[in-house]
Amino acid sequence: AQSVTQPDIHITVSEGASLELRCNYSYGATPYLFWYVQSPGQGLQLLLKYFSGDTLVQGIKGFEAEFKRSQSSFNLRKPSVHWSDAAEYFCAVGSGTYKYIFGTGTRLKVLA
Amino acid sequence: GAGVSQTPSNKVTEKGKYVELRCDPISGHTALYWYRQSLGQGPEFLIYFQGTGAADDSGLPNDRFFAVRPEGSVSTLKIQRTERGDSAVYLCASSGTVGAGNEQFFGPGTRLTVL
Repeated sequence: AQSVTQPDIHITVSEGASLELRCNYSYGATPYLFWYVQSPGQGLQLLLKYFSGDTLVQGIKGFEAEFKRSQSSFNLRKPSVHWSDAAEYFCAVGSGTYKYIFGTGTRLKVLA
Repeated sequence: GAGVSQTPSNKVTEKGKYVELRCDPISGHTALYWYRQSLGQGPEFLIYFQGTGAADDSGLPNDRFFAVRPEGSVSTLKIQRTERGDSAVYLCASSGTVGAGNEQFFGPGTRLTVL
């Protein structure tokens, strides 16, 4: 069965530090992969997506993610975190033709 | 342009009551999705509409849950005889076309609390 694992429930980083959020997936075919961010009271906002091609994907707000098929991973990175990046981040895989399967999320806290 | 909107933003009800949650998708989007996000969890798929018909309702937890989209635009999620376990944030999303690779645009959600 398809699944997404985000092993880190909470992560705390200092402002200006680099960030990596982990995501591992289980999917039988070539996956469609997404990272969404959710701020309190806000809907999910797409940061970036991977369908095919270049395995390093650039997104909005300075985020990037790298698809590694051999590791079944799609980790999200940012070289320098801003206080406004504090939010919850969800990794998702597109299952079949339309369903998204989400991970349980990683809550990011940014220290000033 | 306007994004996906959901009303109400918050709904508090008593156990056993009936509730309706509304979703207005992005204009022109043919595909509409409902998800449920319980505390500490990621969103879980409930139902998907293509046009007016529910193409897949396999995620609805039981027959107390029902959703409609009579004119292929606005959708209403209906929950009968609510239970405390139904408390969650209900998210609606829409996309211009169907396909796992097509971005789903999410609304802010309706937070349902069943007392």
